[in-house]
Amino acid sequence: DTAVSQTPKYLVTQMGNDKSIKCEQNLGHDTMYWYKQDSKKFLKIMFSYNNKELIINETVPNRFSPKSPDKAHLNLHINSLELGDSAVYFCASSQATSGYNEQFFGPGTRLTVL
Amino acid sequence: KNEVEQSPQNLTAQEGEFITINCSYSVGISALHWLQQHPGGGIVSLFMLSSGKKKHGRLIATINIQEKHSSLHITASHPRDSAVYICAVRSETSGSRLTFGEGTQLTVNP
Repeated sequence: DTAVSQTPKYLVTQMGNDKSIKCEQNLGHDTMYWYKQDSKKFLKIMFSYNNKELIINETVPNRFSPKSPDKAHLNLHINSLELGDSAVYFCASSQATSGYNEQFFGPGTRLTVL
Repeated sequence: KNEVEQSPQNLTAQEGEFITINCSYSVGISALHWLQQHPGGGIVSLFMLSSGKKKHGRLIATINIQEKHSSLHITASHPRDSAVYICAVRSETSGSRLTFGEGTQLTVNP
């Protein structure tokens, strides 16, 4: 059974478009995350939600808006896509926000902006 | 300078060799993670540790909190171990936020 799933796996779109990436976890975790991995394979946190509430919001352009309809889902909506948004986006989840909690990652969504 | 530094950046080994990947960090941490990213892109958590040593199969992870250093060892390496290995730390003050190293690309040749 898939623990953390993301859709789509690949997304190719034109500059200026609006797109969404969906994430779902069936682990019963309270906390979910979005990470961006750039072309140099460097991972960086973007957002974190705990029980549908935003708890981490790194310096990310406000074109990126996370939405958590329930604690099992954390979607990422991106407005007015730019070339520099091309990256692999990973969703992850963990049991809680602090302490000794392992994070489980989704398979990633490769976004290419043309 | 990144809070988490890994070395080496790239490592090529022959099958069967003993491999060590190092991670140094500059902040107080509550936990350190070792992750593996396969060529297909998926990320798997290998270890999470805050002290001492953990072993899983041919993989061993150690951490020295005083020296702010961790190592990942692979014994009897195999071509299927070829992947990017990423060190990540959760600082004492950052809650659940992970800060990542830049990764070590390991290639094990048959």
